[in-house]
Parts: sequence; structure tokens; C-alpha cells
Amino acid sequence: GESVGLHLPTLSVQEGDNSIINCAYSNSASDYFIWYKQESGKGPQFIIDIRSNMDKRQGQRVTVLLNKTVKHLSLQIAATQPGDSAVYFCAETKNAGGTSYGKLTFGQGTILTVHP
Amino acid sequence: ETGVTQTPRHLVMGMTNKKSLKCEQHLGHNAMYWYKQSAKKPLELMFVYNFKEQTENNSVPSRFSPECPNSSHLFLHLHTLQPEDSALYLCASSQDFSYGYTFGSGTRLTVV
Repeated sequence: GESVGLHLPTLSVQEGDNSIINCAYSNSASDYFIWYKQESGKGPQFIIDIRSNMDKRQGQRVTVLLNKTVKHLSLQIAATQPGDSAVYFCAETKNAGGTSYGKLTFGQGTILTVHP
Repeated sequence: ETGVTQTPRHLVMGMTNKKSLKCEQHLGHNAMYWYKQSAKKPLELMFVYNFKEQTENNSVPSRFSPECPNSSHLFLHLHTLQPEDSALYLCASSQDFSYGYTFGSGTRLTVV
């Protein structure tokens, strides 16, 4: 069935390094993708999103790359900080018309640990 | 605080107990969701409500019973649960099924 998955379940980096978290998706009809961050004891929080008509989008210290050819999504975090330690999820959905979207399908999650 | 509040934060219940989880959103959203988050599994959608009407039941066992009395409140009634139901239960809301889901902090449920 349709799924969104992650290549690496855990990632450990040193403070100041750049981090790259990967995600593979299988539903080629998906046209909207989101990265969420979930800190311990909290619910997922929106980080950044990208639509299928783009291949790159930048935020503050984060960049999302979308490769539709191989159905791959990545989240790059620049100058990773200890506060970035969390579980990161990718999610996919499809626009159902106007501002309406289908339900989000989430990936398994990657645990990012940043060492001081 | 994200605008979506879940209570209680932690709950331990026996398999014969009946309990309820509560979710409240102050964002003016009209869609609300229950998700289950188990260790090493993706977030699993359980129920979707739009304008208080249930629009999706994702093959959830009947021991989980949702209730949405208005667009700001969502409950998950629990009875005769199994130990494998232990998980983090997350509530989320959005406007018109938009992408902007706002999640609560969840209720950590342990069934003993």
C-alpha cells in the first residue's frame, strides 16, 4: 500500500555540523509534503513544507529538497544545535481541491541526537 | 502551548476500566483528528471529524469510541482495552482539512 518511510531511524551529529534526514515516499500522486519535529513529551510541530511544483524550499536553518523522479524527500538542518535533538517525521498528502487536502500519511521518524 | 490541549497527559488504566481522553482546541478550526503513536511505528490516523461529523474511522476497534460534541472539543472514550493499546494518543486540528495540522502534546496511555 501507500507508505512514507525513512532510510535511517537514528542520526547522531556534533553541534555545529549540518544534518540531513531522508524520506522515501511511494505515492506518486502526492503533491504536498511536510516535515514535522517532535520533541520529547510534545506533539509534532510543523517545520517546513514543499509542494510538488518545487524542488527546493528554504527556511531558517532548514532546507527541504524534493526529488520527484526517485520519490525522495530530505530535510537539511544547518549548524545543528542541541535543541534540534528530536524525532523528525516526513508526511505526504494530496490536494483535494481548493484548500482541502487528503489525510496526512506519516513516515516512521528519524531520531536526531546532537552532541555538544 | 500550541492551541490544542489534551488531558490527561498520562493515564494508567486496567483492562476492565473505562476512561476518556479529552482534546480542546482554541484555534477556530473545524476539523479534528485522533492519532495513535506507538514505538517504532508511523503515526496512525484513527478518526477524523469535520464540523462535528465523523468523516473517517480508520478500522479502529470498537473499544475506542470517539465523540465530538462541537468543533472545539473531541473525546476518545476507552473501555476494555488491551496492553497493546498502550501508546501516545495525539489530537490534532486543522481548518478545512488544510495542511496546517496543529497537534496537542498527547496523552501517554498505559494499559495494565
